Amino acid sequence: AQSVTQLGSHVSVSEGALVLLRCNYSSSVPPYLFWYVQYPNQGLQLLLKYTSAATLVKGINGFEAEFKKSETSFHLTKPSAHMSDAAEYFCAVSDGDSSASKIIFGSGTRLSIRP
Amino acid sequence: EPEVTQTPSHQVTQMGQEVILRCVPISNHLYFYWYRQILGQKVEFLVSFYNNEISEKSEIFDDQFSVERPDGSNFTLKIRSTKLEDSAMYFCASSGLAGPTDTQYFGPGTRLTVL
Repeated sequence: AQSVTQLGSHVSVSEGALVLLRCNYSSSVPPYLFWYVQYPNQGLQLLLKYTSAATLVKGINGFEAEFKKSETSFHLTKPSAHMSDAAEYFCAVSDGDSSASKIIFGSGTRLSIRP
Repeated sequence: EPEVTQTPSHQVTQMGQEVILRCVPISNHLYFYWYRQILGQKVEFLVSFYNNEISEKSEIFDDQFSVERPDGSNFTLKIRSTKLEDSAMYFCASSGLAGPTDTQYFGPGTRLTVL
């Protein structure tokens, strides 16, 4: 069964610093991976998704993620943090065995930005 | 830009009461989902729905839960007799295609509080 593990429930970085949010996956089939962001009191917004077309995936708001099969990782990065990036970030994997392909979420990482 | 909408944004109910959470998916989408997020926990899949029937449901989705697409636009989640542990944020999602690579678009959520 597919699953994702997010390392670190809370990450704090200074404004302008590199953002690195870690995600490792476990999948019995080639995984389809996602990063979603949840701003306070809002729903889930797709940041980016990996569908095997390219290992480096660029998303919205300057975020990108690299799929590394050898490390079973899909870490999310942004070169320079902005105050508006403060949110909860969820790594997720599609359940490829399901015809309707439910999404399985990680436990989330709360990103705080220090001025 | 098309979006998934949900009403109400916040629902407070007494234990044992029935609640109906409403969603309007993106208009040309065919696959519909409900997820929930108990405070402080990960987002969990409840049910997927296609062609007027349930495609898959989780173990959480017991006989107290039901889904319906009563007309061409709404998608509802009914909880027949609410329990305290049903208190959570409920997210509706929709996608246009089947398959693990398709993007699910999430609504802003309904916060259900059971007293």
